[in-house]
Amino acid sequence: AQSVTQLGSHVSVSEGALVLLRCNYSSSVPPYLFWYVQYPNQGLQLLLKYTSAATLVKGINGFEAEFKKSETSFHLTKPSAHMSDAAEYFCAVSGTGNKLVFGAGTILRVKS
Amino acid sequence: DAMVIQNPRYQVTQFGKPVTLSCSQTLNHNVMYWYQQKSSQAPKLLFHYYDKDFNNEADTPDNFQSRRPNTSFCFLDIRSPGLGDAAMYLCATSTPGPYYREQFFGPGTRLTVL
Repeated sequence: AQSVTQLGSHVSVSEGALVLLRCNYSSSVPPYLFWYVQYPNQGLQLLLKYTSAATLVKGINGFEAEFKKSETSFHLTKPSAHMSDAAEYFCAVSGTGNKLVFGAGTILRVKS
Repeated sequence: DAMVIQNPRYQVTQFGKPVTLSCSQTLNHNVMYWYQQKSSQAPKLLFHYYDKDFNNEADTPDNFQSRRPNTSFCFLDIRSPGLGDAAMYLCATSTPGPYYREQFFGPGTRLTVL
């Protein structure tokens, strides 16, 4: 069975600082991995996805993530945080039967 | 633009009064999902349709039902809402297949139960 662990339910960074949101996965098959962002009272928006091509994946809004099989990780990074990045971020892995398995989410706070 | 649309965005109902939430899509995707999301939690899958094939999650209460009259529309019916059913309800779509399961989400409907 697939599972996702997001380390840190809340992360706080200063504007302009590096953003690092951690995601570790467990999968019995080669995984497909996703990062979604959710702003208050909105649906989930896909930031980026790993589908077994390049291990470094670039997404929207300057985010990127690196797939590391040896560490079973797919951490999300952005070199310089912006106030508009404040949101909740979900890591997800493809599960069985057309489903996604989500992590618990990480709320990102950006301080001015 | 192709998209997933949910109506209404905000819904207020009374305890025990049936309510229906609506989802439509212009992506022509085979699979449609309904999720329940409570504050600061991950979305919880209630059920999904693969075309007209309905797939219920084992822990979804009987109080929650769904209909999919055609490819474009899917409805979530809550027969007797309780206070614990207040949440954000998210609809999503995807294409099936052996590869990745990227899902496209609507903006959600915030349900309040009085």
